[in-house]
Amino acid sequence: AQSVTQPDIHITVSEGASLELRCNYSYGATPYLFWYVQSPGQGLQLLLKYFSGDTLVQGIKGFEAEFKRSQSSFNLRKPSVHWSDAAEYFCAVGGNRDDKIIFGKGTRLHILP
Amino acid sequence: DAGVIQSPRHEVTEMGQEVTLRCKPISGHNSLFWYRQTMMRGLELLIYFNNNVPIDDSGMPEDRFSAKMPNASFSTLKIQPSEPRDSAVYFCASSLGPLRYFGPGTRLTVL
Repeated sequence: AQSVTQPDIHITVSEGASLELRCNYSYGATPYLFWYVQSPGQGLQLLLKYFSGDTLVQGIKGFEAEFKRSQSSFNLRKPSVHWSDAAEYFCAVGGNRDDKIIFGKGTRLHILP
Repeated sequence: DAGVIQSPRHEVTEMGQEVTLRCKPISGHNSLFWYRQTMMRGLELLIYFNNNVPIDDSGMPEDRFSAKMPNASFSTLKIQPSEPRDSAVYFCASSLGPLRYFGPGTRLTVL
């Protein structure tokens, strides 16, 4: 069965600190992987995506993610967070012929000044 | 590009009333999705359309929910009658391929 697990419901980091948000997936074929961000009162915005090729992908706002097939993971990272990064982050998985994309439950990121 | 447009942004209604949520997808996109987001259940796919045809409505919770897409530029999600447990944020998204583009959502409160 296809699934996405984001094990951390909440994460708190200090401004300027590094960040890693975890995502594990279960998918029967080569996955398409996504990270979305949702600011309060807003819709989901695409941060980055992995379809194929280089397993380290760069996204907007200084985020990157690394696809590790052996670990079924697609963790999101940022070297130095800003207060404006406080939001909820969703990992998602789908396939190239699959109109259904499965979203994780989300990780809410809090930033300490 | 105006993005996905949803209306209304906020809706407060009383139990038993009919609620209609509206969505205008991005021009040229051929798939449209309705999602519901709650604290308890996260983001749930309710139904999706491809080329205006409903493909999968297995996520629609009950017969009280219905969705239509009369043309490529408009879709509605209707709840009749509404119940307090329907209170949630409802998102519409459109796509041309695997990338979803989300609207700002409609926050529905059923009293």
